[in-house]
Amino acid sequence: KNQVEQSPQSLIILEGKNCTLQCNYTVSPFSNLRWYKQDTGRGPVSLTIMTFSENTKSNGRYTATLDADTKQSSLHITASQLSDSASYICVVSSMTGGGNKLTFGTGTQLKVEL
Amino acid sequence: EAGVTQFPSHSVIEKGQTVTLRCDPISGHDNLYWYRRVMGKEIKFLLHFVKESKQDESGMPNNRFLAERTGGTYSTLKVQPAELEDSGVYFCASSGDTRNEAFFGQGTRLTVV
Repeated sequence: KNQVEQSPQSLIILEGKNCTLQCNYTVSPFSNLRWYKQDTGRGPVSLTIMTFSENTKSNGRYTATLDADTKQSSLHITASQLSDSASYICVVSSMTGGGNKLTFGTGTQLKVEL
Repeated sequence: EAGVTQFPSHSVIEKGQTVTLRCDPISGHDNLYWYRRVMGKEIKFLLHFVKESKQDESGMPNNRFLAERTGGTYSTLKVQPAELEDSGVYFCASSGDTRNEAFFGQGTRLTVV
């Protein structure tokens, strides 16, 4: 069964601190992995996309890593800001005959405080 | 360029009633997806349209759910009759190509009481 598990479930950090979110998946066949940020009341917005051959990808203060052998990914947030408070969702894409199938993790709820 | 828009943003209905959710994808996007998030759980796939055709509807929970995309533009998702367990946030997403990023709408929060 295709699954995406994320940890921690929730996290509270002080503004300016760094944090790392984890994602483990069992999706097969693997096409790509995205990290999405979902603000309250909004739809998910893509932060990074990583394919099988990519190990690291950065987008501003966000850096994602991927280990395709162990099927693990992480999202590192540097110098956190209050606006980083949101749900971060790991989504693994699998290409099948029916098209692009997305499997979502349950998300990590991040709160950045003063 | 307008993003994916969903209507209504919130809906509260009684058990047994009918509700229709609407999604307007990004103009020109052939692929349209419906997802939903039930309280405390992950977002789950419902179905995928390519233009007006249902490419994959393996995620539809039961025959109380009916999705349509007449003309290959906007899509509707009807729940009839609604049950308490249908409560959740229903997301729509669209993409120009199945290999490309899917852009999400803001979601419709459905509450069945």
